[in-house]
Amino acid sequence: AQSVTQPDIHITVSEGASLELRCNYSYGATPYLFWYVQSPGQGLQLLLKYFSGDTLVQGIKGFEAEFKRSQSSFNLRKPSVHWSDAAEYFCAVADSSYKLIFGSGTRLLVRP
Amino acid sequence: DAGVIQSPRHEVTEMGQEVTLRCKPISGHNSLFWYRQTMMRGLELLIYFNNNVPIDDSGMPEDRFSAKMPNASFSTLKIQPSEPRDSAVYFCASSSPSTNTEAFFGQGTRLTVV
Repeated sequence: AQSVTQPDIHITVSEGASLELRCNYSYGATPYLFWYVQSPGQGLQLLLKYFSGDTLVQGIKGFEAEFKRSQSSFNLRKPSVHWSDAAEYFCAVADSSYKLIFGSGTRLLVRP
Repeated sequence: DAGVIQSPRHEVTEMGQEVTLRCKPISGHNSLFWYRQTMMRGLELLIYFNNNVPIDDSGMPEDRFSAKMPNASFSTLKIQPSEPRDSAVYFCASSSPSTNTEAFFGQGTRLTVV
């Protein structure tokens, strides 16, 4: 069965510092991988996605993620965090039926 | 396009009452998903429709929950009777092959059962 693990419940970084949010997945075939962001009281917005090809994918708001098959990981990165990036981030995996299975989320706090 | 539209945004109801949540997917999208978000269980897929047909309802927690999609532009999630443990945020999302499986989410309905 598919599953997604986000080992960090909370992460706090200083504004301007770099960020990496971890995501590990379990899936038998080549997965479709996603990162979504959720601001308080809002729905989920797609940051980026990976289907195939280049394992380093660029997303919106300056985010990127790297697919590493050998590590079953799809970590999200940003070189310089802004205060507006404070939110909850969800990694997700989908199969060919397009059902999304979400991780438990990582809440990002940004110190001024 | 206005995106996925859910109504109501907030619902407070008494235990035992029937609750109906509504969703209008993005025009042209042929897949629709209902998710539930709670602190304890995170985001759970409840049911998934493709071309108005329920494909997978294995996530529906109990018979008290039912979902319909009478046409391509409307879906409902009904809870009857509601219980306090149903309190959660319910999200609807839609997608299509043309979006490369990207699911677009509504803003959710916050349900409180007292």
